[in-house]
Amino acid sequence: KAGVTQTPRYLIKTRGQQVTLSCSPISGHRSVSWYQQTPGQGLQFLFEYFSETQRNKGNFPGRFSGRQFSNSRSEMNVSTLELGDSALYLCASSLEGGGTTDTQYFGPGTRLTVL
Amino acid sequence: AQKVTQAQTEISVVEKEDVTLDCVYETRDTTYYLFWYKQPPSGELVFLIRRNSFDEQNEISGRYSWNFQKSTSSFNFTITASQVVDSAVYFCALRCYVIKAAGNKLTFGGGTRVLVKP
Repeated sequence: KAGVTQTPRYLIKTRGQQVTLSCSPISGHRSVSWYQQTPGQGLQFLFEYFSETQRNKGNFPGRFSGRQFSNSRSEMNVSTLELGDSALYLCASSLEGGGTTDTQYFGPGTRLTVL
Repeated sequence: AQKVTQAQTEISVVEKEDVTLDCVYETRDTTYYLFWYKQPPSGELVFLIRRNSFDEQNEISGRYSWNFQKSTSSFNFTITASQVVDSAVYFCALRCYVIKAAGNKLTFGGGTRVLVKP
């Protein structure tokens, strides 16, 4: 079974631009979560989507948004990029999104650099 | 609020030594789940183990073992006979279960970098 895939793997943008990152979950998984990893703040939860609905959101400004499609693929968007948005963005998928035996499996990440 | 603390920022060992990673968590929930993930230089978080709060049995899986103690809110992880390929950053994570619809958020510790020298 293929793992979680994320595209693109690397991105370089300039301040003020917007960016869209894509995540394809493991086949059959219905929950997709996004995390931001920076040296200063570590791994922080952005949001989670389950059956095309956002169920949970972390403490990030409204410039960070996402969506999930009917095939469970997910995209996240960051508008008006700031230097501080430079980070590794990780996507994770799980089968049920919170069940007793549920485990999140992560993709390789998208490394975003904002200049 | 949930919190995970990994007090060790970096551990350096020589190959074949055992490595124990400490993890202390805080939560008010009675049902929760604890995880260990490994992040090699490639960046992908690799799932290692999961433990449920209602099951304190400690287990061994290959070279990995873990010690879950609810009384001290600790979930320590040991790599036996370390190998160079074990060099990575290891993260402890906590997920709380309120209701299933509440979602799937993981709270991570700061990570412990393990360097295994040949």
